[in-house]
Amino acid sequence: EVQLVESGGGLVQPGGSLRLSCAASGFTLISNWMTWVRQPPGKGLEWLANIKHDGSEINYVDSVKGRFTISRDNAKNSLYLQMSSLRAEDTAVYFCARGDGWHHNWGQGTLVTVSS
Amino acid sequence: EIVLTQSPGTLSLSPGDRATLSCRASQSVSSNYLAWYQQKPGQAPRLLIYNAFSRATGIPDRFSGSGSGTDFTLTVSRLEPEDSAVYYCQQYHRSPRTFGQGTKVEIK
Repeated sequence: EVQLVESGGGLVQPGGSLRLSCAASGFTLISNWMTWVRQPPGKGLEWLANIKHDGSEINYVDSVKGRFTISRDNAKNSLYLQMSSLRAEDTAVYFCARGDGWHHNWGQGTLVTVSS
Repeated sequence: EIVLTQSPGTLSLSPGDRATLSCRASQSVSSNYLAWYQQKPGQAPRLLIYNAFSRATGIPDRFSGSGSGTDFTLTVSRLEPEDSAVYYCQQYHRSPRTFGQGTKVEIK
């Protein structure tokens, strides 16, 4: 069974940093693009970034470019999102999802709250 | 970036009714690279439709997708109480990938 489990969320002060992890099981990470999507409380979905199988191609939405870094460790079957210079508007549930394009598999999400 | 506009914002229908949800793109979504998701409160999105009209594994055949170019539609032919949710479209023709703002379907 395919599973994606996010971790690393929590409360962080504005301007702070946080690293999210996504542990994959039930499939081989190296065979897949991977994606991060977020959802502010009570709002819609926002696509953030994706990364190719071997990390050779990465794309970001403008709102996080230069502040967030997506990476992966295929040997550990894990995906990461390093977030810095966090703002109140980054408060959201962060989901990892398998693939580029459509996403059949999603994690349950991890909540990041940016507040003083 | 490609902006997706979904309408209506909210749809209030009765069980057995037909629901028609629209997703309009600001530019052509080539190769029909468009997906539809269902999301219930506190849950991750669930893939319903990909490539505009292909039903995902395990999705009932009362869910169907259609359209091309800039206009796409998700149809739920016979609503059931468990279809109460927010529905999102997503394009993956260009980066950044983008989602519509969602349509909330309420079952009376």
